[in-house]
Amino acid sequence: DAGVIQSPRHEVTEMGQEVTLRCKPISGHDYLFWYRQTMMRGLELLIYFNNNVPIDDSGMPEDRFSAKMPNASFSTLKIQPSEPRDSAVYFCASSPLGGTESTDTQYFGPGTRLTVL
Amino acid sequence: GDSVTQMEGPVTLSEEAFLTINCTYTATGYPSLFWYVQYPGEGLQLLLKATKADDKGSNKGFEATYRKETTSFHLEKGSVQVSDSAVYFCARTYGGSQGNLIFGKGTKLSVKP
Repeated sequence: DAGVIQSPRHEVTEMGQEVTLRCKPISGHDYLFWYRQTMMRGLELLIYFNNNVPIDDSGMPEDRFSAKMPNASFSTLKIQPSEPRDSAVYFCASSPLGGTESTDTQYFGPGTRLTVL
Repeated sequence: GDSVTQMEGPVTLSEEAFLTINCTYTATGYPSLFWYVQYPGEGLQLLLKATKADDKGSNKGFEATYRKETTSFHLEKGSVQVSDSAVYFCARTYGGSQGNLIFGKGTKLSVKP
């Protein structure tokens, strides 16, 4: 398996622009997580999905952030409008449910480094 | 609530030195415990895990033992290499929320030749 795929790997945009980050989880994984990592705040969970349904979005900073998972193989995190304080590395992770593998382990993508000027 | 506390870094060691990174967790429920590693410019990777008390997780020479009596899961390695330079995160499962993890703030390790 190719692992969790994220795109783009790097994004530079100007304040006020819309930004869309994309994630393809590992096939067969039922959980998908979006995290944000900054030097100041460390690794923060933004939202997670189970079987494409958002379970907990309490970590989403504000209404400018939205996430969708239209099917089991694709999710987006959108920021509109973007602000300089949104600059961070955004990670997507997925986790399996049931089967022979533990449900606990999360598998991370390489991240998207977002810079908002 | 549920949380994980790990020692602050950075930690700087010479090659072949002994490594310990401390991690403690809040004693709510029966969590699984993890160590993840993040190499520069990459995402987090699972290093090892333990699912119940007294279990020992091990991988690539790293070990950690699930200690319920001290609510700890300290990471150890007998002889570090330059290639072990990375940020290490301790994590636990979160309450009854299957699949969700709580991460510590991370400890940066630098190994000098």
